[in-house]
Amino acid sequence: SQQGEEDPQALSIQEGENATMNCSYKTSINNLQWYRQNSGRGLVHLILIRSNEREKHSGRLRVTLDTSKKSSSLLITASRAADTASYFCATIKGGATNKLIFGTGTLLAVQP
Amino acid sequence: GAVVSQHPSWVICKSGTSVKIECRSLDFQATTMFWYRQFPKQSLMLMATSNEGSKATYEQGVEKDKFLINHASLTLSTLTVTSAHPEDSSFYICSAEGLAGGRDTQYFGPGTRLTVL
Repeated sequence: SQQGEEDPQALSIQEGENATMNCSYKTSINNLQWYRQNSGRGLVHLILIRSNEREKHSGRLRVTLDTSKKSSSLLITASRAADTASYFCATIKGGATNKLIFGTGTLLAVQP
Repeated sequence: GAVVSQHPSWVICKSGTSVKIECRSLDFQATTMFWYRQFPKQSLMLMATSNEGSKATYEQGVEKDKFLINHASLTLSTLTVTSAHPEDSSFYICSAEGLAGGRDTQYFGPGTRLTVL
């Protein structure tokens, strides 16, 4: 399976704290993406980082990419209760179409 | 922009019946749509890739006669679960990749929860 691994599987923090989630993948990539999913809902695209980038910011989100280790991390700073959701990394499976291969996901719970 | 809808949002059916799920790109043309299924507390697993005007490409282990996909227009793809059984109960999510969104970003529908009794 090409599915990536994410850790931790679950993370519980207090509002205001930072949350860090890690993702490891198996094959070489052109880019890596992070998505968020609220319980029972669809996915929301958060951020895309290309293979030639090492770090990217978007609001309270910070993503790093280490292609030598085939890993990425997502940092959410100053977390809020509304950040409670599952977070997935995804890489593109090569070929003619952009098939996304999702990681196992991290369930983040932010306690008010 | 780049909104994808799914209908229905949930459906309950009896074993042996067929269920059709629609995926629409509302404000852009989707040359390619993807269908995923997600079991509780698990990740999304790609089932098939749907290209407008051509046959869908199924991932290994996905029965194409069981999960019929039709991408008849640039804004609509349908997934029909034929002769549904309880093990087909799952959350089905589609995504669309189109001319507006660019090839690197897929836009996801809100999902359809299927329960087969």
